[in-house]
Amino acid sequence: GNSVTQMEGPVTLSEEAFLTINCTYTATGYPSLFWYVQYPGEGLQLLLKATKADDKGSNKGFEATYRKETTSFHLEKGSVQVSDSAVYFCALDGGSNYKLTFGKGTLLTVNP
Amino acid sequence: EAGVVQSPRYKIIEKKQPVAFWCNPISGHNTLYWYRQNLGQGPELLIRYENEEAVDDSQLPKDRFSAERLKGVDSTLKIQPAELGDSAVYLCASSLYVGGSYNEQFFGPGTRLTVL
Repeated sequence: GNSVTQMEGPVTLSEEAFLTINCTYTATGYPSLFWYVQYPGEGLQLLLKATKADDKGSNKGFEATYRKETTSFHLEKGSVQVSDSAVYFCALDGGSNYKLTFGKGTLLTVNP
Repeated sequence: EAGVVQSPRYKIIEKKQPVAFWCNPISGHNTLYWYRQNLGQGPELLIRYENEEAVDDSQLPKDRFSAERLKGVDSTLKIQPAELGDSAVYLCASSLYVGGSYNEQFFGPGTRLTVL
């Protein structure tokens, strides 16, 4: 079956530090890949997505590239802010176009 | 535009008691999802509705869980009786299914259930 493995947290960084959260996946077919973010007290929000190999998703300074050869979709940001503190979830849609499989989430805390 | 609304936000009950969660999706969204998120885990799909029809309930524990989406808008998820292992956050999401393609899922804030 489909599965997503992401870097365990928590991750604590200082403001303006570089962020990487690793995500690898197992899936049959050609999944679409997503990063969701959950701010404290709020619902999950789609941060970015990529639907085919070598696509790069980007939003709010975050980027992730769909790497089929390494089955990875690592999230990066060059300079984090305190407001980026949240839980980040990597997810895939295994080709069915509706059923999302999520990783366990990574808690990011950014200190001023 | 209003987002997905869920209530209550928090619920504490004794085991063996019934509990119900309510979800109001984004206006016009024909697809509705219920997910369960255990502590330290990602959400897992319980059931998906297209309009009023449950098109995927394969992960719903049918011995104690039930759901309905009357009139294809609001939805209710019920647990009866609740067990200790049901403690989790229950998330509702909605999306628009158009022309064979599902669009982005929008999530509500969730209901945090604690079973004592």
